[in-house]
Amino acid sequence: QVQLVQSGAEVKKPGASVKVSCKASGYTFTSYSISWVRQAPGQGLEWMGYISAYNGNTKYAQNFQGRVTMTTDPSTSTAYVELRSLRSDDTAVYYCARDPSGYEDYWGQGTLVTVSS
Amino acid sequence: EIVMTQSPATLSVSPGESATLSCRASQSISSNLAWYQQKPGQAPRLLIYGAFTRATGVPARFSGSGSGTEFTLTISSLQSEDFAIYYCQQYHNWSFFGQGTKLEI
Repeated sequence: QVQLVQSGAEVKKPGASVKVSCKASGYTFTSYSISWVRQAPGQGLEWMGYISAYNGNTKYAQNFQGRVTMTTDPSTSTAYVELRSLRSDDTAVYYCARDPSGYEDYWGQGTLVTVSS
Repeated sequence: EIVMTQSPATLSVSPGESATLSCRASQSISSNLAWYQQKPGQAPRLLIYGAFTRATGVPARFSGSGSGTEFTLTISSLQSEDFAIYYCQQYHNWSFFGQGTKLEI
């Protein structure tokens, strides 16, 4: 069965960077893109962008351009998102999800990133 | 940017009844719309994609309709496990989610 397992919770100081991982199993990793979506406490869903696991092409939401980098390691079926220059309003649960064609069909369990001085 | 507006913000329905949730796009998105269900402390779950296609394992009581700018998610014969927050998402041009509709008992 398709599974996406994310890395554990992180606590970062403002201005720092965070890198969250997402290990996929149960399907051919390079046949799908991986999207990243975040959710601030008590708020809705915010799409951050996606990366093609086939060729590494990326598309980042405007709100994150210049601060985010998405990468994959096909040898381990793992995707990564790095967010730099963290601010307190980056505190959120970060989800990875498999993207067959623009929508997200399987989701990771989420990774809480807390930004606090 | 395509803005997605969901209504109502909160919908109160009794078990066994039907619920109709709406999602409007600020410009045409053809049928590039998905619906998700999210329960507290859980990741979202895909229900519908392509405006009306049910995802794997989704019960038939969930149905989606619409195209262009107006979309509807209908849940018939509500079960206790259906009370959750529902989000629509357009993936026609970039990707944006609506603000969600909370379905409560």
